[in-house]
Amino acid sequence: ILNVEQSPQSLHVQEGDSTNFTCSFPSSNFYALHWYRWETAKSPEALFVMTLNGDEKKKGRISATLNTKEGYSYLYIKGSQPEDSATYLCASASPSNQFYFGTGTSLTVIP
Amino acid sequence: GAGVSQSPRYKVAKRGQDVALRCDPISGHVSLFWYQQALGQGPEFLTYFQNEAQLDKSGLPSDRFFAERPEGSVSTLKIQRTQQEDSAVYLCASSLQLAGGLAIQYFGAGTRLSVL
Repeated sequence: ILNVEQSPQSLHVQEGDSTNFTCSFPSSNFYALHWYRWETAKSPEALFVMTLNGDEKKKGRISATLNTKEGYSYLYIKGSQPEDSATYLCASASPSNQFYFGTGTSLTVIP
Repeated sequence: GAGVSQSPRYKVAKRGQDVALRCDPISGHVSLFWYQQALGQGPEFLTYFQNEAQLDKSGLPSDRFFAERPEGSVSTLKIQRTQQEDSAVYLCASSLQLAGGLAIQYFGAGTRLSVL
């Protein structure tokens, strides 16, 4: 079992603010990292799959970076909007398809 | 439908009752996964199918938990003699690719099970 941790557990920001949160994972035997966004009463939605040290991915106002040597990934949201309110989950994936999820960061964007 | 569908969305069971949770994956997806998410925790892996073959069931917490995918599409997770600690959200995910941690898993909205 891999110990994946996310911080902070929850976050409240004002509309228009930029924000970021962290996913930490064991750096040994790293294979891939997945980010998901999970809105209440909906299905978790895949955001990024990251594999290489130094990877940066971007989707609209959301971006992510990856440091496999020190075992962390940052997710950034620029100019937060109320529709960004969701729980953001990261998962460290093994080659055999096992996903090890963190407990998530719950983001609330206040209009 | 375009996505992974799970039913029922909510299930209340009396302790000791058997329950069956259904997952309809995206058509053509080879791989299917079940996860359990307890309150305040992240999803935890239960079991994995490739077509109809159950390749990994290492995450099933006890022999009261049983999963099947007899025709390689729809899957059912069955919990016998439910206990209060079984209360959780049960998530199903499917993936087009055969194997490897690079494959995106597409999730259903989950079944929230409450055992009284």
